[in-house]
Amino acid sequence: GENVEQHPSTLSVQEGDSAVIKCTYSDSASNYFPWYKQELGKRPQLIIDIRSNVGEKKDQRIAVTLNKTAKHFSLHITETQPEDSAVYFCAASMNSGTYKYIFGTGTRLKVLA
Amino acid sequence: DARVTQTPRHKVTEMGQEVTMRCQPILGHNTVFWYRQTMMQGLELLAYFRNRAPLDDSGMPKDRFSAEMPDATLATLKIQPSEPRDSAVYFCASGTRGDTEAFFGQGTRLTVV
Repeated sequence: GENVEQHPSTLSVQEGDSAVIKCTYSDSASNYFPWYKQELGKRPQLIIDIRSNVGEKKDQRIAVTLNKTAKHFSLHITETQPEDSAVYFCAASMNSGTYKYIFGTGTRLKVLA
Repeated sequence: DARVTQTPRHKVTEMGQEVTMRCQPILGHNTVFWYRQTMMQGLELLAYFRNRAPLDDSGMPKDRFSAEMPDATLATLKIQPSEPRDSAVYFCASGTRGDTEAFFGQGTRLTVV
């Protein structure tokens, strides 16, 4: 079955710096890779996603890159702000067979003002 | 604004008692996931349904946990008997496909004493 590993588990950056979170997946059949942000006491919410037919996707200050060959994908946040502080989860899934929407273990990002 | 609704939001119960958590997926969503979140385990997939049929519940301790979808508007997760190690936040999420956004409910915070 699918297994998703995520690093680092915690990350502290100065406001204005960039943050990078990395994930690897095991099932080469996975074709959908979303990223969720969870603020303290809140529900996880989708911030960006990428499909396997795309190598990079950008939305304002956040971007995701995917390397299918190496089976890893990364979240990049530029010009970090205090409100970016949260736990970020990557996930891998597909829409065929008995797919599973599997999450990584999360990265706690702290943006220091 | 369509949302996944979970009840109760908080539950404190004594060890050995039965606990039932409920989830109302977004109307039209045919995929429902149950996740358990603890500090150590991140978002752990317990079970998921497509078109009300259970596709996989291998993440659940079978001797005490059960998940059902009696109809398209209700998913339930039951623990009997509950144990202190079951204390966690339980999230329900719904979607339309395995390769699209999963919308999370607010979660049920369960404390077993």
